[in-house]
Amino acid sequence: GAVVSQHPSWVICKSGTSVKIECRSLDFQATTMFWYRQFPKQSLMLMATSNEGSKATYEQGVEKDKFLINHASLTLSTLTVTSAHPEDSSFYICSARWLAGGFTDTQYFGPGTRLTVL
Amino acid sequence: AQTVTQSQPEMSVQEAETVTLSCTYDTSENNYYLFWYKQPPSRQMILVIRQEAYKQQNATENRFSVNFQKAAKSFSLKISDSQLGDTAMYFCAFMKRGSDYKLSFGAGTTVTVRA
Repeated sequence: GAVVSQHPSWVICKSGTSVKIECRSLDFQATTMFWYRQFPKQSLMLMATSNEGSKATYEQGVEKDKFLINHASLTLSTLTVTSAHPEDSSFYICSARWLAGGFTDTQYFGPGTRLTVL
Repeated sequence: AQTVTQSQPEMSVQEAETVTLSCTYDTSENNYYLFWYKQPPSRQMILVIRQEAYKQQNATENRFSVNFQKAAKSFSLKISDSQLGDTAMYFCAFMKRGSDYKLSFGAGTTVTVRA
């Protein structure tokens, strides 16, 4: 149980284009999902908290207009990187908090998405 | 904000041996959770072990166990009978109970298990 998927696993795009990354909880409902960014050999940096049916909460320093987050249902959150530039190249990871069952204080992570902007 | 410190960037251990990873944290909270996550080369984050601060008993999961010292704000992870599949980056994380469920991660410790 508590499986989280991400799609795509790897995406390459041209500078100036937008890219959408999906995060799905496959076997549980998640009222809260989180988006992280990770550089090679570094820790995870929280970008934003996504709550179903409401606006995302962004961490300080994260551009909300560049990283659009939508949490349309209890099983799906999307991160759109708008007008991507090479400096946005990174590994993006989502996690989901299980609403009922299991430990509600535990985050379950997706496998991550590698974004390369040329 | 909570600070989580992992002072060992890298550790190497022989297969079947034991290795201990250190983690300290700084908080004024009394109710919180602590976690160890493992990130193997696949980069999939995997929950290794979870500890509730109000529980004095140290959590264990098979070959993984923790030494939770609340007063010292220390939360070390012991990996017994190390296996090649344990090679990964290990992150210690803190979560305040009943809050926004945000995790504060340490910088990570890369563990390499040698055959």
